[in-house]
Amino acid sequence: GQQVMQIPQYQHVQEGEDFTTYCNSSTTLSNIQWYKQRPGGHPVFLIQLVKSGEVKKQKRLTFQFGEAKKNSSLHITATQTTDVGTYFCAGPNAGNMLTFGGGTRLMVKP
Amino acid sequence: EAGVAQSPRYKIIEKRQSVAFWCNPISGHATLYWYQQILGQGPKLLIQFQNNGVVDDSQLPKDRFSAERLKGVDSTLKIQPAKLEDSAVYLCASVPGRLAGGPYNEQFFGPGTRLTVL
Repeated sequence: GQQVMQIPQYQHVQEGEDFTTYCNSSTTLSNIQWYKQRPGGHPVFLIQLVKSGEVKKQKRLTFQFGEAKKNSSLHITATQTTDVGTYFCAGPNAGNMLTFGGGTRLMVKP
Repeated sequence: EAGVAQSPRYKIIEKRQSVAFWCNPISGHATLYWYQQILGQGPKLLIQFQNNGVVDDSQLPKDRFSAERLKGVDSTLKIQPAKLEDSAVYLCASVPGRLAGGPYNEQFFGPGTRLTVL
């Protein structure tokens, strides 16, 4: 079945440093979604990418969808303590059910 | 707009006991999902409802898990009997559209129920 992998699993950064998480799917995706889960919280939708090579920005966050629509990345510029949490990518399988990656847990030292 | 409601928020039971979780999706959301999130992992889809019908339950361990959404609104997820490996957070999510992974169909998650099986 479809697999969605994320690296790294954990990332410690100093506040102000940049952060990137990578997402790879075993199958071509029609779209990819990104979610953020704060410690003790529930996943919250960030964005959806649909087009091949698409790049979207939300303030300090930049999301990219690969040309082959099998990979994606999330880059945070100048991290802040409010960025702490786990970032998940998720893509639909053949039945249009979302498969989540394992997530990248971001920890920011003030 | 009220969000997805879930109860209880926490539950501790012993193995072989039964437990039930309740979810009330956002008003008007036709599609409802139950996910299992084991500590340190991403959410794993268990079942999808469209109104009161099951769309996909292929990943639901049907020997012990059951779910229903009788009137197309609230839903319950039951585990009977529970095993140690069922310890996880059970998340309910809803979307307004028909298809979860379709464009612009972001999922709205509830706060989850944290289950501990001793």
